[in-house]
Amino acid sequence: QVQLVQSGAEVKKPGSSVRVSCKASGGNFKSHTISWVRQAPGQGLEWMGGIIPVFAAPNYAQMFQGRVTITADESTSTAYMELSGLTSEDTAVYYCAQDSIPAAINAYFDFWGQGTLVTVSS
Amino acid sequence: EIVLTQSPDTLSLSPGERATLSCRASQSVSSNYLAWYQQKPGQAPRLLIYGASSRATGIPDRFSGSGSGTDFTLTISRLEPEDFAMYYCQQYGSSPRTFGQGTKLEIK
Repeated sequence: QVQLVQSGAEVKKPGSSVRVSCKASGGNFKSHTISWVRQAPGQGLEWMGGIIPVFAAPNYAQMFQGRVTITADESTSTAYMELSGLTSEDTAVYYCAQDSIPAAINAYFDFWGQGTLVTVSS
Repeated sequence: EIVLTQSPDTLSLSPGERATLSCRASQSVSSNYLAWYQQKPGQAPRLLIYGASSRATGIPDRFSGSGSGTDFTLTISRLEPEDFAMYYCQQYGSSPRTFGQGTKLEIK
């Protein structure tokens, strides 16, 4: 059974950056896409982007292009999401999620991390 | 990108009743690559249905999915108390993967 464990809650100032980690265990980290999905308070789910660790080539949603960087470290089975230029609108819970099928363009999210609350406040 | 619209926004029902949730896509979802997730407060989403109609591992058979093209439905045949939650549809047939805005299933 795959388990995704995320780093703890963060409080950041407007204009700064945040980096959230997602450590995987119990599965094949290298070949399954790890995606990042965020959820603002009381709102729905929004896909930010993803990466297949073995290929190390991230794919980003257009609205986050230029502000988000997704990386993966195969040696520690950990994925990272860094978001820069934070504003209050980036206050949200950020989830990592792993694809059901290895190296697939079309795959649903089989496993989810527990979520990391990022609060942006001056 | 494909826009998914769920209806209704809120559904008020009693335990034992049947729930029908709708998800409509702005264009055809490739190969019916449509999933449904359940989310309870303070928890991550949980996969219920993939491929429009296949139940995920461990999901009770009171949950069923149907539909194709642009119109999809999640049906819960007899509501249990633990089924009251938010439900999201998601298409994964084209990039970016998009979610519906959610349907809140609440106790009447």
